[in-house]
Amino acid sequence: GEDVEQSLFLSVREGDSSVINCTYTDSSSTYLYWYKQEPGAGLQLLTYIFSNMDMKQDQRLTVLLNKKDKHLSLRIADTQTGDSAIYFCAEKGGGSYIPTFGRGTSLIVHP
Amino acid sequence: ETGVTQSPTHLIKTRGQQVTLRCSSQSGHNTVSWYQQALGQGPQFIFQYYREEENGRGNFPPRFSGLQFPNYSSELNVNALELDDSALYLCASSLLEGDKRTLHFGNGTRLTVT
Repeated sequence: GEDVEQSLFLSVREGDSSVINCTYTDSSSTYLYWYKQEPGAGLQLLTYIFSNMDMKQDQRLTVLLNKKDKHLSLRIADTQTGDSAIYFCAEKGGGSYIPTFGRGTSLIVHP
Repeated sequence: ETGVTQSPTHLIKTRGQQVTLRCSSQSGHNTVSWYQQALGQGPQFIFQYYREEENGRGNFPPRFSGLQFPNYSSELNVNALELDDSALYLCASSLLEGDKRTLHFGNGTRLTVT
């Protein structure tokens, strides 16, 4: 079955870049997603990448995909305290309508 | 554009009881999915409804059941509650169109079973 792995915690200083990593096992993945969850809230879609791309940039966010190694990363430039949240990686296989989520990475931004 | 809304926001039930959680989909979306998020975990897929029929189910027992109504709102019912059912229950709506699936989540219902 599909499996999505993420490191559980990341601590950065305000103004630095944050890089959150994710690995997945499903070689038929077509879309990969990053969601953000703030305390007491649901998940908010940040960005997604199609599997035939290797990079996508959206303002402060850069997604890198290494399909050969099944590795996805999210880089947040100029990290702010408002970026403190849990970030979930998710992947969707070609034969499924259902994205599979990782356990989430808790990003802590300190002054 | 109205987002996904869930009710109630919090609920406390006793083991063995039954519970119904409700969700209103984002306007224009025809698919609703339910997820269970235990503390410190990622969302686990329960089931999905498309045009009022279940068209996908995760590894959850039959005491988890659901409905989708003609207006695309939805209910999640859980019978014979167990302590391990304590979690945040998330509803997500989407438009089943093509291969891309971007889910729009509500803020969830926090269920505590004592």
